[in-house]
Amino acid sequence: DSGVTQTPKHLITATGQRVTLRCSPRSGDLSVYWYQQSLDQGLQFLIQYYNGEERAKGNILERFSAQQFPDLHSELNLSSLELGDSALYFCASSANLDIQNTEAFFGQGTRLTVV
Amino acid sequence: DQQVKQNSPSLSVQEGRISILNCDYTNSMFDYFLWYKKYPAEGPTFLISISSIKDKNEDGRFTVFLNKSAKHLSLHIVPSQPGDSAVYFCAASVGYGNKLVFGAGTILRVKS
Repeated sequence: DSGVTQTPKHLITATGQRVTLRCSPRSGDLSVYWYQQSLDQGLQFLIQYYNGEERAKGNILERFSAQQFPDLHSELNLSSLELGDSALYFCASSANLDIQNTEAFFGQGTRLTVV
Repeated sequence: DQQVKQNSPSLSVQEGRISILNCDYTNSMFDYFLWYKKYPAEGPTFLISISSIKDKNEDGRFTVFLNKSAKHLSLHIVPSQPGDSAVYFCAASVGYGNKLVFGAGTILRVKS
């Protein structure tokens, strides 16, 4: 158990809909990262929050947004969903702003299926 | 454009033998490299890392080798155990940074 909790584990929704994925980081971790893993591909970095503020952005679509709340949990919002958004979405957390000399701990992921 | 490539989708090894997983990268700015292991229905877990100032890092049965001139790194597992069967991801970043770039992963099967 990494200590990072993601809900829900599975989500099936229709094209055009909007969903919210939730992540609770490990106790004390200030950084939260979101990654997307599409079929047979590596994890793609989407976005990082540190102590409530956005710190880094990857190839995140404009239809996607995220935020980190005062209690440090984070939500990833995906809207106007397309079939190609079907993927595993991982959240990770770390104690610091970067990963030097510290690990990023990953949650179990949320499997999103868009039909 | 895949900046981190794991060209072997899968690898099968006998228990007790050495497993060698390979990773190539194209971005010469990468200077911190990591290996993650992932079991089914779980998130990736950190295994071992290496910075570009080293060419080898060892942790128990796991050793990572970095060849900067070839832009290549490898993970050696000796001896391999059935519990090592998992997907192994190579990842890289610039300056110990916060954006990890992952390869597509290699499925390792260790047969007993």
